[in-house]
Amino acid sequence: QQQVKQSPQSLIVQKGGISIINCAYENTAFDYFPWYQQFPGKGPALLIAIRPDVSEKKEGRFTISFNKSAKQFSLHIMDSQPGDSATYFCAALLTGANNLFFGTGTRLTVIP
Amino acid sequence: EPEVTQTPSHQVTQMGQEVILRCVPISNHLYFYWYRQILGQKVEFLVSFYNNEISEKSEIFDDQFSVERPDGSNFTLKIRSTKLEDSAMYFCAGCGQGGEKLFFGSGTQLSVL
Repeated sequence: QQQVKQSPQSLIVQKGGISIINCAYENTAFDYFPWYQQFPGKGPALLIAIRPDVSEKKEGRFTISFNKSAKQFSLHIMDSQPGDSATYFCAALLTGANNLFFGTGTRLTVIP
Repeated sequence: EPEVTQTPSHQVTQMGQEVILRCVPISNHLYFYWYRQILGQKVEFLVSFYNNEISEKSEIFDDQFSVERPDGSNFTLKIRSTKLEDSAMYFCAGCGQGGEKLFFGSGTQLSVL
Protein backbone atom coordinates (compact mmCIF):
# COMPACT_ATOMS: atom_id res chain seq x y z
CA GLN A 1 0.00 0.00 0.00
CA GLN A 2 1.42 3.34 -1.02
CA GLN A 3 0.97 5.57 2.00
CA VAL A 4 2.03 8.79 0.31
CA LYS A 5 1.41 9.60 -3.36
CA GLN A 6 3.36 12.38 -5.02
CA SER A 7 2.98 14.17 -8.34
CA PRO A 8 4.25 15.16 -10.78
CA GLN A 9 7.19 12.84 -11.31
CA SER A 10 9.11 15.62 -13.03
CA LEU A 11 8.64 19.35 -13.41
CA ILE A 12 10.30 21.99 -15.55
CA VAL A 13 9.87 25.62 -14.54
CA GLN A 14 11.29 28.86 -15.87
CA LYS A 15 13.45 30.92 -13.56
CA GLY A 16 11.22 33.20 -11.53
CA GLY A 17 8.20 30.97 -11.90
CA ILE A 18 6.27 29.04 -9.26
CA SER A 19 6.95 25.33 -8.75
CA ILE A 20 4.12 23.31 -7.28
CA ILE A 21 4.44 19.72 -6.09
CA ASN A 22 1.50 17.80 -4.71
CA CYS A 23 1.14 14.94 -2.25
CA ALA A 24 -1.75 12.92 -0.93
CA TYR A 25 -1.73 10.60 2.04
CA GLU A 26 -3.83 7.67 3.19
CA ASN A 27 -3.50 7.44 6.93
CA THR A 28 -5.44 10.14 8.79
CA ALA A 29 -3.34 9.47 11.88
CA PHE A 30 -0.25 11.02 10.27
CA ASP A 31 0.63 14.16 12.18
CA TYR A 32 3.86 15.47 10.71
CA PHE A 33 4.46 16.24 7.05
CA PRO A 34 7.98 17.22 5.99
CA TRP A 35 9.44 18.00 2.60
CA TYR A 36 12.96 16.91 1.78
CA GLN A 37 15.26 18.25 -0.93
CA GLN A 38 17.85 15.98 -2.49
CA PHE A 39 20.72 17.01 -4.75
CA PRO A 40 22.51 14.40 -6.86
CA GLY A 41 24.94 12.33 -4.82
CA LYS A 42 23.62 13.66 -1.54
CA GLY A 43 21.18 12.46 1.06
CA PRO A 44 17.77 14.09 1.47
CA ALA A 45 17.80 17.28 3.54
CA LEU A 46 14.85 18.61 5.48
CA LEU A 47 13.44 21.67 3.74
CA ILE A 48 10.23 22.55 5.56
CA ALA A 49 7.59 20.72 7.57
CA ILE A 50 4.03 21.21 8.76
CA ARG A 51 1.65 19.76 11.31
CA PRO A 52 -2.05 19.27 10.50
CA ASP A 53 -3.24 21.93 12.94
CA VAL A 54 -2.28 24.68 10.47
CA SER A 55 -3.23 25.12 6.81
CA GLU A 56 -0.09 26.86 5.64
CA LYS A 57 3.52 27.32 6.59
CA LYS A 58 5.94 29.65 4.87
CA GLU A 59 9.71 29.80 5.10
CA GLY A 60 11.29 32.21 2.67
CA ARG A 61 10.37 31.20 -0.87
CA PHE A 62 9.00 27.81 0.27
CA THR A 63 5.39 27.33 1.36
CA ILE A 64 3.49 24.23 2.40
CA SER A 65 -0.26 24.27 1.90
CA PHE A 66 -2.16 21.66 3.86
CA ASN A 67 -5.72 20.45 3.30
CA LYS A 68 -6.66 18.08 6.09
CA SER A 69 -10.12 17.20 4.78
CA ALA A 70 -8.74 16.27 1.37
CA LYS A 71 -5.69 14.56 2.89
CA GLN A 72 -3.45 16.56 0.60
CA PHE A 73 -0.50 18.87 0.99
CA SER A 74 1.66 20.70 -1.48
CA LEU A 75 4.96 22.49 -1.74
CA HIS A 76 5.12 25.85 -3.50
CA ILE A 77 8.46 27.32 -4.49
CA MET A 78 8.09 30.97 -5.35
CA ASP A 79 10.54 32.78 -7.63
CA SER A 80 12.14 29.44 -8.56
CA GLN A 81 15.89 29.57 -9.16
CA PRO A 82 18.25 27.25 -11.05
CA GLY A 83 19.78 26.37 -7.68
CA ASP A 84 16.42 24.89 -6.67
CA SER A 85 16.88 22.17 -9.29
CA ALA A 86 16.78 18.97 -7.23
CA THR A 87 14.52 16.07 -6.36
CA TYR A 88 11.85 16.86 -3.80
CA PHE A 89 10.23 14.27 -1.58
CA CYS A 90 7.17 14.70 0.55
CA ALA A 91 6.84 12.48 3.58
CA ALA A 92 4.47 11.68 6.40
CA LEU A 93 5.01 10.52 9.94
CA LEU A 94 2.89 9.09 12.66
CA THR A 95 4.58 10.47 15.75
CA GLY A 96 5.60 7.60 17.95
CA ALA A 97 5.71 5.17 15.04
CA ASN A 98 9.22 6.33 14.30
CA ASN A 99 8.98 5.69 10.57
CA LEU A 100 8.80 8.27 7.78
CA PHE A 101 6.83 7.31 4.69
CA PHE A 102 8.25 9.02 1.62
CA GLY A 103 6.55 9.92 -1.62
CA THR A 104 8.07 8.83 -4.91
CA GLY A 105 9.85 12.13 -5.53
CA THR A 106 9.61 14.99 -8.03
CA ARG A 107 12.57 15.96 -10.12
CA LEU A 108 12.48 19.74 -10.49
CA THR A 109 14.46 21.52 -13.19
CA VAL A 110 14.51 25.30 -13.19
CA ILE A 111 15.55 26.72 -16.55
CA PRO A 112 17.52 29.98 -16.53
CA GLU B 1 27.49 22.23 11.12
CA PRO B 2 27.53 18.63 12.34
CA GLU B 3 26.79 15.99 9.76
CA VAL B 4 26.14 12.29 9.41
CA THR B 5 29.14 10.53 7.89
CA GLN B 6 28.83 7.33 5.90
CA THR B 7 31.55 5.03 4.64
CA PRO B 8 32.33 3.80 2.11
CA SER B 9 30.71 6.05 -0.47
CA HIS B 10 30.69 3.18 -2.95
CA GLN B 11 30.79 -0.56 -2.34
CA VAL B 12 30.93 -3.22 -4.99
CA THR B 13 30.42 -6.82 -3.95
CA GLN B 14 29.69 -10.21 -5.38
CA MET B 15 26.30 -11.81 -4.86
CA GLY B 16 26.29 -13.90 -1.70
CA GLN B 17 29.00 -11.89 0.02
CA GLU B 18 28.56 -10.04 3.30
CA VAL B 19 28.78 -6.26 3.40
CA ILE B 20 28.91 -3.83 6.29
CA LEU B 21 27.90 -0.25 5.75
CA ARG B 22 29.10 2.21 8.33
CA CYS B 23 27.70 5.43 9.69
CA VAL B 24 28.81 7.95 12.27
CA PRO B 25 25.69 9.80 13.42
CA ILE B 26 25.58 13.27 14.91
CA SER B 27 26.71 12.95 18.50
CA ASN B 28 23.60 14.20 20.29
CA HIS B 29 21.14 12.20 18.23
CA LEU B 30 19.21 9.43 19.92
CA TYR B 31 17.29 7.80 17.07
CA PHE B 32 19.02 6.18 14.15
CA TYR B 33 17.74 4.88 10.87
CA TRP B 34 18.68 3.11 7.72
CA TYR B 35 16.85 3.91 4.51
CA ARG B 36 17.54 2.78 0.99
CA GLN B 37 16.84 4.24 -2.42
CA ILE B 38 16.87 2.13 -5.54
CA LEU B 39 17.95 4.22 -8.50
CA GLY B 40 15.23 6.65 -9.50
CA GLN B 41 12.78 5.39 -6.92
CA LYS B 42 11.53 6.60 -3.58
CA VAL B 43 13.37 6.48 -0.31
CA GLU B 44 12.33 3.35 1.62
CA PHE B 45 12.49 2.80 5.34
CA LEU B 46 14.49 -0.20 6.51
CA VAL B 47 14.94 0.04 10.26
CA SER B 48 14.95 2.38 13.22
CA PHE B 49 17.17 2.00 16.27
CA TYR B 50 16.76 3.55 19.68
CA ASN B 51 18.26 2.83 23.06
CA ASN B 52 20.47 0.12 21.58
CA GLU B 53 17.71 -1.90 20.06
CA ILE B 54 15.58 -2.04 16.96
CA SER B 55 12.39 -0.06 17.50
CA GLU B 56 10.81 -0.68 14.12
CA LYS B 57 11.64 -2.45 10.88
CA SER B 58 10.07 -2.81 7.47
CA GLU B 59 9.31 -5.89 5.42
CA ILE B 60 12.52 -5.24 3.48
CA PHE B 61 14.57 -5.74 6.65
CA ASP B 62 14.56 -9.53 6.69
CA ASP B 63 16.89 -11.99 8.39
CA GLN B 64 19.71 -11.08 6.01
CA PHE B 65 19.92 -7.62 7.56
CA SER B 66 21.19 -6.61 10.97
CA VAL B 67 22.16 -3.38 12.67
CA GLU B 68 24.55 -2.60 15.45
CA ARG B 69 25.84 0.32 17.43
CA PRO B 70 28.78 -1.43 19.02
CA ASP B 71 30.73 1.43 20.52
CA GLY B 72 28.24 4.22 21.05
CA SER B 73 29.38 6.12 17.99
CA ASN B 74 29.37 3.94 14.89
CA PHE B 75 26.07 2.62 13.56
CA THR B 76 26.36 -0.25 11.10
CA LEU B 77 24.13 -2.08 8.67
CA LYS B 78 25.16 -5.60 7.78
CA ILE B 79 23.78 -7.56 4.87
CA ARG B 80 24.76 -11.16 5.44
CA SER B 81 24.38 -12.61 1.95
CA THR B 82 23.82 -9.95 -0.66
CA LYS B 83 21.41 -10.38 -3.54
CA LEU B 84 21.29 -8.52 -6.84
CA GLU B 85 18.17 -6.68 -5.69
CA ASP B 86 20.06 -5.26 -2.72
CA SER B 87 21.81 -2.89 -5.13
CA ALA B 88 20.76 0.57 -3.99
CA MET B 89 21.89 3.73 -2.24
CA TYR B 90 21.77 3.19 1.50
CA PHE B 91 21.25 6.19 3.71
CA CYS B 92 21.89 6.45 7.40
CA ALA B 93 19.88 9.06 9.28
CA GLY B 94 19.47 10.31 12.79
CA CYS B 95 17.48 12.70 14.88
CA GLY B 96 17.08 13.88 18.42
CA GLN B 97 13.33 13.44 18.58
CA GLY B 98 11.79 10.30 17.19
CA GLY B 99 11.11 10.54 13.46
CA GLU B 100 11.24 14.28 13.04
CA LYS B 101 13.95 16.45 11.53
CA LEU B 102 15.97 13.58 10.18
CA PHE B 103 19.53 14.33 9.19
CA PHE B 104 20.70 12.07 6.39
CA GLY B 105 24.20 11.07 5.42
CA SER B 106 25.37 11.22 1.81
CA GLY B 107 24.79 7.51 1.38
CA THR B 108 26.65 4.40 0.36
CA GLN B 109 26.05 3.20 -3.17
CA LEU B 110 25.98 -0.59 -3.00
CA SER B 111 26.37 -2.52 -6.23
CA VAL B 112 25.88 -6.28 -6.09
CA LEU B 113 27.26 -8.12 -9.11
